[in-house]
Amino acid sequence: DADVTQTPRNRITKTGKRIMLECSQTKGHDRMYWYRQDPGLGLRLIYYSFDVKDINKGEISDGYSVSRQAQAKFSLSLESAIPNQTALYFCATREQGFTGELFFGEGSRLTVL
Amino acid sequence: AQTVTQSQPEMSVQEAETVTLSCTYDTSESDYYLFWYKQPPSRQMILVIRQEAYKQQNATENRFSVNFQKAAKSFSLKISDSQLGDAAMYFCAYRSMGGGADGLTFGKGTHLIIQP
Repeated sequence: DADVTQTPRNRITKTGKRIMLECSQTKGHDRMYWYRQDPGLGLRLIYYSFDVKDINKGEISDGYSVSRQAQAKFSLSLESAIPNQTALYFCATREQGFTGELFFGEGSRLTVL
Repeated sequence: AQTVTQSQPEMSVQEAETVTLSCTYDTSESDYYLFWYKQPPSRQMILVIRQEAYKQQNATENRFSVNFQKAAKSFSLKISDSQLGDAAMYFCAYRSMGGGADGLTFGKGTHLIIQP
């Protein structure tokens, strides 16, 4: 089983719908991240969390919210999806104090029609 | 804020040949980490190699090596003896060791094509 698991792997939804992307990890890392990948733009940081009580906005947080339900779980919500939120979303984790490598989930491809 | 620039949207190389992917970054910090990640068609993000800025020696991992030029803020990736399985998107990334936003800052990526 993957150390960082994202669900769903793929989702097609309609404009205005609420969508939640979920992430769980078994690596025991305290830091978790949500990134968005668009063709030609690389990966951009949406939100990150140092622990359950510490959540921070990243570069492109508008239109998104997150919840850190437990050390191992970090979910991303789109309250009212719009077509320009169509993208590949990655969850990642990192262990505090080490070299800074991120461990990624397998990605969730979201299409908003 | 730091920025990472990959100036080659796409590169092509013959199998068994050597290819170099370019990356430059902008920072005022002296301590940081640099990474190359590979994203094959499976879309999984895979760490290829990392470099600590305080280390003068260039990192190597089997067929992958970097040319880290700190003064020039350059961090290129050399792939030797290219194999078909090396075909992927490659992303250069920067991580600050100072304050500010956590996480990695990524470049826009280079699509590497391996010609058989």
